[in-house]
Amino acid sequence: SYVLSQPPSVSVAPGQTARITCGGHTVGSNVHWYQQKPGQAPVLVVYDDSERPSGIPERFSGSNSGSTATLTISRVEAGDEADYHCQAWDSTNDRPDVAFGGGTKLTVL
Amino acid sequence: EVQLVESGGGLVQPGGSLRLSCEVSGFTVSDNYMTWVRQAPGKGLEWVSFIFSRGSTYYAGSVKGRFTISRDNSKNTLYLQMNNLSAEDTAVYYCARFWGSYRPFDYWGQGTPVTVSS
Repeated sequence: SYVLSQPPSVSVAPGQTARITCGGHTVGSNVHWYQQKPGQAPVLVVYDDSERPSGIPERFSGSNSGSTATLTISRVEAGDEADYHCQAWDSTNDRPDVAFGGGTKLTVL
Repeated sequence: EVQLVESGGGLVQPGGSLRLSCEVSGFTVSDNYMTWVRQAPGKGLEWVSFIFSRGSTYYAGSVKGRFTISRDNSKNTLYLQMNNLSAEDTAVYYCARFWGSYRPFDYWGQGTPVTVSS
């Protein structure tokens, strides 16, 4: 499998908007996003580029344009500080394969 | 309530073996698609293996031939047999569920740590 590209870190002040990018996935493939706090398992926050699971605040949104997907967190709160991982399926081979990004650490200043 | 509880991790010497378990409640393992994902210290997530509801299995190239994914339907439990372990396999191993190809992993366990060291 391959690794998607994410910025290692993003910093934002409370109340501002954070944008985390993810690149390298097959054009046309859906991207999923996970939030992971220290010592905890990942939690799905956005799937299929822009859908939110139940219980995830509307402040979390996503988009996918060409080969770059973006997770946007509006009105950032201290509790949003975490690592964020993007994921996409690789459809170029004859067997299923999954790629993750290296993760982006969101710091709330 | 959906719960996935991993166990079986620990310290093992290079070349050794471990079997990880993932006990599931709240859904039937055999009706779903299951996966193992690992995370090396300070690193990102890495997909390890799938087992589809039909029983088909798939592996990442880094573990193919050394790891085996399986399930026990009577115990509603997923397993990962890991053989010929090396330091590069040191990670927290998570089991997770997904509902089909191209779908996200919607439920995760808390993870079990594996350390390969002499």
